[in-house]
Amino acid sequence: SQQGEEDPQALSIQEGENATMNCSYKTSINNLQWYRQNSGRGLVHLILIRSNEREKHSGRLRVTLDTSKKSSSLLITASRAADTASYFCATANSGNTPLVFGKGTRLSVIA
Amino acid sequence: DGGITQSPKYLFRKEGQNVTLSCEQNLNHDAMYWYRQDPGQGLRLIYYSQIVNDFQKGDIAEGYSVSREKKESFPLTVTSAQKNPTAFYLCASSETGVGSPLHFGNGTRLTVT
Repeated sequence: SQQGEEDPQALSIQEGENATMNCSYKTSINNLQWYRQNSGRGLVHLILIRSNEREKHSGRLRVTLDTSKKSSSLLITASRAADTASYFCATANSGNTPLVFGKGTRLSVIA
Repeated sequence: DGGITQSPKYLFRKEGQNVTLSCEQNLNHDAMYWYRQDPGQGLRLIYYSQIVNDFQKGDIAEGYSVSREKKESFPLTVTSAQKNPTAFYLCASSETGVGSPLHFGNGTRLTVT
């Protein structure tokens, strides 16, 4: 079962611009995580935000969480060509069950 | 250098043959997972194990089998009963605890013809 749904499916921007990706989910969560995947590689964990947090920063990444709307956004500021990748949100529900991943957003940053 | 090793990176098999994908971790994680990734479908959970000698089915377990005899190893067998086995397979591990971040291997791309 896939809970998170990312939007847009694909995004193309110029280097230096900001990139925003959104994730919506259906049930209550314990935390929400964002991952990055370069083509043909495994996923890499970027950031985790707990259900009682509203915003979190890590370097050029900013994540927000709105539990009333069951949505999260990932903002990448001052994008670089090296940020080109697919980005996935994953939700952790209550109980010790595995993360559920969305289908991802493909980001292309053009130099 | 801690991490997860999946081998081989590319695997080719004829239809009707079973094939086993290897996954080894040296992160001392209790939990391990197998996901399947198809274009446009994100990651789907096949099996997971939270402790040695125990594992649970995920959303798409049919046609797959696993074992967890050692903490470090969680091999996945794709059997001939799996109707569409061609895919990218990802292994991951995590510490126990609700929603712990996953550490992924670099995947095995299986092609069955």
